[in-house]
Amino acid sequence: EAGVAQSPRYKIIEKRQSVAFWCNPISGHATLYWYQQILGQGPKLLIQFQNNGVVDDSQLPKDRFSAERLKGVDSTLKIQPAKLEDSAVYLCASSLAVLFRGGGNEQYFGPGTRLTVT
Amino acid sequence: DAKTTQPTSMDCAEGRAANLPCNHSTISGNEYVYWYRQIHSQGPQYIIHGLKNNETNEMASLIITEDRKSSTLILPHATLRDTAVYYCIGALYGYKLVFGAGTILRVKS
Repeated sequence: EAGVAQSPRYKIIEKRQSVAFWCNPISGHATLYWYQQILGQGPKLLIQFQNNGVVDDSQLPKDRFSAERLKGVDSTLKIQPAKLEDSAVYLCASSLAVLFRGGGNEQYFGPGTRLTVT
Repeated sequence: DAKTTQPTSMDCAEGRAANLPCNHSTISGNEYVYWYRQIHSQGPQYIIHGLKNNETNEMASLIITEDRKSSTLILPHATLRDTAVYYCIGALYGYKLVFGAGTILRVKS
């Protein structure tokens, strides 16, 4: 079974530039997540999709970050304009996720995109 | 979600059991304990989860105390490939995880 795919793996940009990350989840997984992981910290959820609808985007800095999941499969996360503090690894994950069912729903993570903003 | 407390780091000898503790004294009755790990330069990997009973799978065992205030993840025969950051998370739903800093486990030969 193919895992979660992400691209690019690495990206270096200057502040105020824009950048986009792409994620292809495991086939059949309805739920897709984007996390931000700053060096030395655990991942922080930015946004969660159920099919092509947003379930939770409470921690997404909406003034500069946007995400979409067209057709309920692939997803893109965009940052415009980037700031120095956006330097982090951006992780995509997916799960079968039956909403409001306790337990299970384990998440499968991709390798991440390491973003460096200079 | 329940707040969890884990040691910052631990060492373990290769081939020995690695026992990773986690305190979650504020966990509510219907919140699960999830364990994930993150090997260097990779995304987190699900290990195991449990509610009240002890659980075992091909990767690890999870021992939850009767009062549910703490748990221990056991890797029965640690290898160098088990060197990673291990996250203990208390959550009602597996799709609502809040990751802390975790425990850095170093397996040494």
